[in-house]
Amino acid sequence: GENVEQHPSTLSVQEGDSAVIKCTYSDSASNYFPWYKQELGKRPQLIIDIRSNVGEKKDQRIAVTLNKTAKHFSLHITETQPEDSAVYFCAAMYSGGYNKLIFGAGTRLAVHP
Amino acid sequence: GAGVSQSPRYKVAKRGQDVALRCDPISGHVSLFWYQQALGQGPEFLTYFQNEAQLDKSGLPSDRFFAERPEGSVSTLKIQRTQQEDSAVYLCASSAQGAVGNEQFFGPGTRLTVL
Repeated sequence: GENVEQHPSTLSVQEGDSAVIKCTYSDSASNYFPWYKQELGKRPQLIIDIRSNVGEKKDQRIAVTLNKTAKHFSLHITETQPEDSAVYFCAAMYSGGYNKLIFGAGTRLAVHP
Repeated sequence: GAGVSQSPRYKVAKRGQDVALRCDPISGHVSLFWYQQALGQGPEFLTYFQNEAQLDKSGLPSDRFFAERPEGSVSTLKIQRTQQEDSAVYLCASSAQGAVGNEQFFGPGTRLTVL
């Protein structure tokens, strides 16, 4: 069945450093890949997304890259700040119908001052 | 504007009790999803509604789980004879239709604890 693998499960960086989270997916027909940030006890919030007709998208300190051939996409956060500390989830939209999202297991990012 | 809301935010049930979880999607959103999020895991799809029609219930773990959206707006997820393995956060999400409507907006979730 459809599956999304996410690495690493935890990531610890110093303030100002960059952070990279990587995901692979199994459904080759997936065409939408969102990233969600979830703070403790809060709802997941969309931070950036990419569709399969583009290879890269950037929004200020956040960028996402997509390699459809390898079925791989990544989140890049530059100049990290303590408020970036949270759990980040990648997801792929299942192509089999109805737009359900298949989520990775999450990456807990800690940014130390 | 108002986002997706869910109630109750927390629910404690004794094993064997029935529970009902409510979701109020963003007004006008056609699509509504329910996800289950176990501790330390990503959300897992349960079921999907387009307006009042339940088009996909492939993620419901057993016949103890039932969802409805009778008027195409508010949705209720019901769990009968709750078991300890049902303990999780239940998230509701809604989205508009159309090519730019892929974004799913999540509610705050209901944390269910079954004792």
